[in-house]
Amino acid sequence: SQQGEEDPQALSIQEGENATMNCSYKTSINNLQWYRQNSGRGLVHLILIRSNEREKHSGRLRVTLDTSKKSSSLLITASRAADTASYFCGNAGGTSYGKLTFGQGTILTVHP
Amino acid sequence: DAGVIQSPRHEVTEMGQEVTLRCKPISGHDYLFWYRQTMMRGLELLIYFNNNVPIDDSGMPEDRFSAKMPNASFSTLKIQPSEPRDSAVYFCASRSAVNTEAFFGQGTRLTVV
Repeated sequence: SQQGEEDPQALSIQEGENATMNCSYKTSINNLQWYRQNSGRGLVHLILIRSNEREKHSGRLRVTLDTSKKSSSLLITASRAADTASYFCGNAGGTSYGKLTFGQGTILTVHP
Repeated sequence: DAGVIQSPRHEVTEMGQEVTLRCKPISGHDYLFWYRQTMMRGLELLIYFNNNVPIDDSGMPEDRFSAKMPNASFSTLKIQPSEPRDSAVYFCASRSAVNTEAFFGQGTRLTVV
């Protein structure tokens, strides 16, 4: 992919469980952004973590960033069926200032 | 604001025809991005603009693709001539600054037969 890899490619869990998705990136970053995409729709921003931050929370979302390993993780706690979607991490940085590239995404399925 | 507006939502065209996709970014946003999404290649950045100026077009697949941003409220992505392998969903996104979120349009689903 243009900016790195996300794993797993697909994740299937039961409602109430936690879901963890990981993202690795190749280039330097200004910030890292997580987005959600429902089938057939555009991406919707969830949370942004800056390069000098290590952890950030927003509701049931928790994002961590390890710049030494060039990796980030998104944790969704107490998942709901409505969380079923694809999740992408966006690398804001890289070779051109202002660039925003994405990995392949993780398809999350939450079973009721 | 109505968000990022893309048109058309769906486009079916014959191979060899010219295709023009349109995007209206959110007012006041300085950055505009064009992406292509396919199952095989994921979400690829094609080109992005800052203050109407193309900054990085390294993702444009070949010379058949061109993009313009004649003013702050309008951008086009043109494919001429189109080929079946161009079939994909094309997204436009805009944002106000580097450390801010991007807002995506609903996409244009292009089918080239």
